[in-house]
Amino acid sequence: DGGITQSPKYLFRKEGQNVTLSCEQNLNHDAMYWYRQDPGQGLRLIYYSQIVNDFQKGDIAEGYSVSREKKESFPLTVTSAQKNPTAFYLCASSGTTLHKPDYEQYFGPGTRLTVT
Amino acid sequence: DQQVKQNSPSLSVQEGRISILNCDYTNSMFDYFLWYKKYPAEGPTFLISISSIKDKNEDGRFTVFLNKSAKHLSLHIVPSQPGDSAVYFCAASETHAGKSTFGDGTTLTVKP
Repeated sequence: DGGITQSPKYLFRKEGQNVTLSCEQNLNHDAMYWYRQDPGQGLRLIYYSQIVNDFQKGDIAEGYSVSREKKESFPLTVTSAQKNPTAFYLCASSGTTLHKPDYEQYFGPGTRLTVT
Repeated sequence: DQQVKQNSPSLSVQEGRISILNCDYTNSMFDYFLWYKKYPAEGPTFLISISSIKDKNEDGRFTVFLNKSAKHLSLHIVPSQPGDSAVYFCAASETHAGKSTFGDGTTLTVKP
């Protein structure tokens, strides 16, 4: 089955530690995205990538880093510099929207990160 | 500056009645609009979309209306069903931007 997977579903870390969230897709999509959702709030874009080996900062990139070495994978690292890392993190993929905007995003099930 | 706004955090309707969810945007360069549905602890799923060259798109019980002059779109669900209870996100895209901008969502509750 084609889809997008995120692992793990729940992640617990101590403050000051970096943590990497996994995101893999087998939909052959060029574009991938990372969002953060806090309780009662919408989706805020952290980083996005329209093509392998290229990515751009979203609205709240500070304290996060990404890589896009393979088309299928877009891991997100939450660094110790992120002041409020506890949140629900969502990864998504789509056809590239650089030339036409009409591609919906397919979302993974999310990873809930708790940092104490 | 929030470019996509959903001013109603929540909406409650009776089963069988119409649900109307609203969305406003400020960026006139947006040329494609999408609605997503999200259940708790899950990722959103795509529901329906509309291009800026249209003013209406219909898919079964779901219809999206776009008023470009008012920079406003709405999602109509008729008839509403208890399974429609979820958070609905409005999103807008701009050609060449390579990303979508999401609203904060509206929680719809459909009462049996």
